[in-house]
Amino acid sequence: GAVVSQHPSWVICKSGTSVKIECRSLDFQATTMFWYRQFPKQSLMLMATSNEGSKATYEQGVEKDKFLINHASLTLSTLTVTSAHPEDSSFYICSASGTSGAYEQYFGPGTRLTVT
Amino acid sequence: GQQVMQIPQYQHVQEGEDFTTYCNSSTTLSNIQWYKQRPGGHPVFLIQLVKSGEVKKQKRLTFQFGEAKKNSSLHITATQTTDVGTYFCAGVYNFNKFYFGSGTKLNVKP
Repeated sequence: GAVVSQHPSWVICKSGTSVKIECRSLDFQATTMFWYRQFPKQSLMLMATSNEGSKATYEQGVEKDKFLINHASLTLSTLTVTSAHPEDSSFYICSASGTSGAYEQYFGPGTRLTVT
Repeated sequence: GQQVMQIPQYQHVQEGEDFTTYCNSSTTLSNIQWYKQRPGGHPVFLIQLVKSGEVKKQKRLTFQFGEAKKNSSLHITATQTTDVGTYFCAGVYNFNKFYFGSGTKLNVKP
């Protein structure tokens, strides 16, 4: 089946620094990648949708200048949390779809970010 | 805005009992997807429903999409301990906007 990897799996950073999270589709070309945030015991909150080669579409309430998304190739998307603060601590999960539109998503294992 | 409501939040059952989780949308969906997230894991796609009134089965799992395409259900017959996890529906609008339900956490007692 389709495999999506994320790196790092967990990261601890100091307040004010930036953190980059990578999402890779290992055995398929991901036309669309999604970035989610999941709080403990809660559902997935869609942050943004990105299509290869174009700007990401951010959901309402998500600061695009704070959460920079780049989808430069069909196998790689990155999320950079800039000037991180403790309230940015969360579980970030990416998913990828092999086609645009509402097709099944393959989720990465997630990245646990802790900002101290 | 669009919102997908999912109930119940938790369900504890004895092994062998049935389980059902429900999702409702205030507006019409283009399609709906179901995912399962095991404890400590990431969501895994189960199925997608597109047609009004559609019913799909996967072994002991039965998925339904309402006639109005505003609600959906997942029913598990004779639960097993391997069914433990959180089940999420993802309502899709205009075939490109996803909204996950809050999830139903299923615990199965052996």
